[in-house]
Amino acid sequence: KQEVTQIPAALSVPEGENLVLNCSFTDSAIYNLQWFRQDPGKGLTSLLLIQSSQREQTSGRLNASLDKSSGRSTLYIAASQPGDSATYLCAVPSGGSNYKLTFGKGTLLTVNP
Amino acid sequence: DADVTQTPRNRITKTGKRIMLECSQTKGHDRMYWYRQDPGLGLRLIYYSFDVKDINKGEISDGYSVSRQAQAKFSLSLESAIPNQTALYFCATSSPGQRNNEQFFGPGTRLTVL
Repeated sequence: KQEVTQIPAALSVPEGENLVLNCSFTDSAIYNLQWFRQDPGKGLTSLLLIQSSQREQTSGRLNASLDKSSGRSTLYIAASQPGDSATYLCAVPSGGSNYKLTFGKGTLLTVNP
Repeated sequence: DADVTQTPRNRITKTGKRIMLECSQTKGHDRMYWYRQDPGLGLRLIYYSFDVKDINKGEISDGYSVSRQAQAKFSLSLESAIPNQTALYFCATSSPGQRNNEQFFGPGTRLTVL
């Protein structure tokens, strides 16, 4: 059974700092990995999807990497801003599918002005 | 306008009541999903549907049922609500031909069962 772990569970940084969020998964036979952002009282916003054949995916100040063989992904946020404060979730399809997502429990990020 | 909408956004009900949560999407996606989120447990898949005639159980389907009324509508029902079904419920959609089946989520329904 696929298990997804996110470390740290919570992170507090001063504005402007670069930071890395970690995601690990137990079954490396995945089609892709998706990073989401969740704001309080709101749904999940898809940030980046990395396909299994890719090593990195970038969107603005966000860069996600994927190392399937070691079962790891990182989300790098450059020059953090208070508006980046949210919970970040990673998810991978499980059970040999590309649609049954297994989620980590998330990292709660607080960026202090 | 939101691509995936859920109604109601908040609902408080009593044990034993029948509850329906509704999801609509304008993304034109074939696949729709229902998840629940609990503190400390993350999101878990309840049901998913590939089209109107294809509905499948997810990880935690007991106590729930679904209906795919049209390609754009997917409803989740709790036939007899119980307190441990108190959670945040999310609907999501995807299309297998788009970006490796990337999933897009609605804003969620916060359900409290007293």
